[in-house]
Amino acid sequence: DAKTTQPPSMDCAEGRAANLPCNHSTISGNEYVYWYRQIHSQGPQYIIHGLKNNETNEMASLIITEDRKSSTLILPHATLRDTAVYYCIVSFQGGSEKLVFGKGTKLTVNP
Amino acid sequence: GAVVSQHPSRVICKSGTSVKIECRSLDFQATTMFWYRQFPKQSLMLMATSNEGSKATYEQGVEKDKFLINHASLTLSTLTVTSAHPEDSSFYICSVQPGQGDEKLFFGSGTQLSVL
Repeated sequence: DAKTTQPPSMDCAEGRAANLPCNHSTISGNEYVYWYRQIHSQGPQYIIHGLKNNETNEMASLIITEDRKSSTLILPHATLRDTAVYYCIVSFQGGSEKLVFGKGTKLTVNP
Repeated sequence: GAVVSQHPSRVICKSGTSVKIECRSLDFQATTMFWYRQFPKQSLMLMATSNEGSKATYEQGVEKDKFLINHASLTLSTLTVTSAHPEDSSFYICSVQPGQGDEKLFFGSGTQLSVL
């Protein structure tokens, strides 16, 4: 079973920031938080991951609470192409360990 | 980013036939690949872990004799759905870990299988 809880759906206006929350209250000390997204009828795409510190890359920012029990993925300026299902996953390494996908959040970016 | 090529992207077959899906890592060697299945409006479900040069590890409830996995080289894994039936119709996706120290997975574009 997935170790994360996400809202099933969210809406965001184009050009505004999209903040996607994720609860992972049972995360262990050496588990990472990974975010992937899946655009309709395509394979998932890696977005970002982190352990304790906040992370930022060209796609998004990841904010992890100090107790690590929740995190937020931030898309700073959402576009219509960001409409997708976003998956928050906890994993020890994410590569060598298999990823267990939950139901994710369907983000719809509106014009 | 790493490139994973998955073929075919879409296949339609008759019930009882077998279908082979290929997953190739184009610019790196992969000792481990993962195969997922996704039914409409549902999340990805891991089917099996494919290990180069050894037998695949199947998840509980996945029939190893029905879903044959071959990982004969470091750049290719194949999934064969044998004696396909309509209930096997699904979106099949492979994923690859590029190597040690790279902690993210790269996914193929998926194969939509429709069994008539």
